[in-house]
Amino acid sequence: GAVVSQHPSWVICKSGTSVKIECRSLDFQATTMFWYRQFPKQSLMLMATSNEGSKATYEQGVEKDKFLINHASLTLSTLTVTSAHPEDSSFYICSARDYIDTQYFGPGTRLTVL
Amino acid sequence: DAKTTQPTSMDCAEGRAANLPCNHSTISGNEYVYWYRQIHSQGPQYIIHGLKNNETNEMASLIITEDRKSSTLILPHATLRDTAVYYCIVRGGATNKLIFGTGTLLAVQP
Repeated sequence: GAVVSQHPSWVICKSGTSVKIECRSLDFQATTMFWYRQFPKQSLMLMATSNEGSKATYEQGVEKDKFLINHASLTLSTLTVTSAHPEDSSFYICSARDYIDTQYFGPGTRLTVL
Repeated sequence: DAKTTQPTSMDCAEGRAANLPCNHSTISGNEYVYWYRQIHSQGPQYIIHGLKNNETNEMASLIITEDRKSSTLILPHATLRDTAVYYCIVRGGATNKLIFGTGTLLAVQP
């Protein structure tokens, strides 16, 4: 299947700082990418849909000013967690949709905010 | 909102077939059934999807009932590495998003 990468795989930061997570589709172009968040022992929760060249669409209850999404190319989307706080600590997972509409997921980024 | 119902957990003996059921009684005509699995602390892995016909690939088979209200994912020869949470997701129509439910924790026993 298609490959999606994320960087970094884990990050620890201080409260109040911003953290950027990159998501790349390695062997296909993705006009649409998605960002999910997963808390321990819970399922994945969709945060936002990212479309190349346009603004992201956020799910209800997700603060767009806190979770900045940029999808500047067909193979790269970034999620920036601004002014991170301990409650933002979570497992962030991106996914990308290929040309036949199948969605592939990255390995995830574990964020810990101290 | 998740539109599927799955058992919380299942056990399977190594080497035997694992049959994971999923109910999706409110599925619409243009919605597909997708299966993903998530091994602990990893991103979900795509397994298979289908609309109304049965599907098979190198990982699994997907059997969809004629009325499309339920389906079964079959792993023909389960191994210990198949231990994971398996998600059955209905996708398509107006929203066309993958919305995850709670899935089934499949434990393959040696």
